[in-house]
Amino acid sequence: GENVEQHPSTLSVQEGDSAVIKCTYSDSASNYFPWYKQELGKRPQLIIDIRSNVGEKKDQRIAVTLNKTAKHFSLHITETQPEDSAVYFCAATDPSSSNTGKLIFGQGTTLQVKP
Amino acid sequence: GAVVSQHPSRVICKSGTSVKIECRSLDFQATTMFWYRQFPKQSLMLMATSNEGSKATYEQGVEKDKFLINHASLTLSTLTVTSAHPEDSSFYICSASRGFTYNEQFFGPGTRLTVL
Repeated sequence: GENVEQHPSTLSVQEGDSAVIKCTYSDSASNYFPWYKQELGKRPQLIIDIRSNVGEKKDQRIAVTLNKTAKHFSLHITETQPEDSAVYFCAATDPSSSNTGKLIFGQGTTLQVKP
Repeated sequence: GAVVSQHPSRVICKSGTSVKIECRSLDFQATTMFWYRQFPKQSLMLMATSNEGSKATYEQGVEKDKFLINHASLTLSTLTVTSAHPEDSSFYICSASRGFTYNEQFFGPGTRLTVL
């Protein structure tokens, strides 16, 4: 089945700097790659997603890039702010799950933005 | 749109008792719902996938007789932790999807279960 690896596990940046989180996946048939932000004790919130027919997607300070050949995708946050501090999870659909939309999550990255 | 509620938000119970957690999609019909378990500082671990009107599909290592899942309607799924023990203490989160063609999963706020 699908396997998703995420790194780094922790990331500390100064306010205003950029942050990049990377994920790799194993099954080339995966076709949907969301990114979630989770604050302590809260629900994961979808912040951006990308489908396999697109190479890049941007929403204000957040962007996601997808390299299907290398089977990796990355989250880019520019001009980071303290409120960006949270745990970020990448995910990929599991093609072997008979089209249920099942997601396989990465291990998570704790982002700390220092003022 | 795409709001998912979960109840209760917190529950404390004695060892041996059963606990039911409800997950509702408030403004859309959820063809598929997912149940996750999350330990502190860890990722989301999928426990099972449920489709309305059919039996849930459990992930390897998840005891189906201990974690009973019912998806009786397109807006409601329930997870019952039977004969709970302290090791079942965790954060349980559900998510709902309109269907595989949409892919997006919308998460509930989670339920913090503490078994004494």
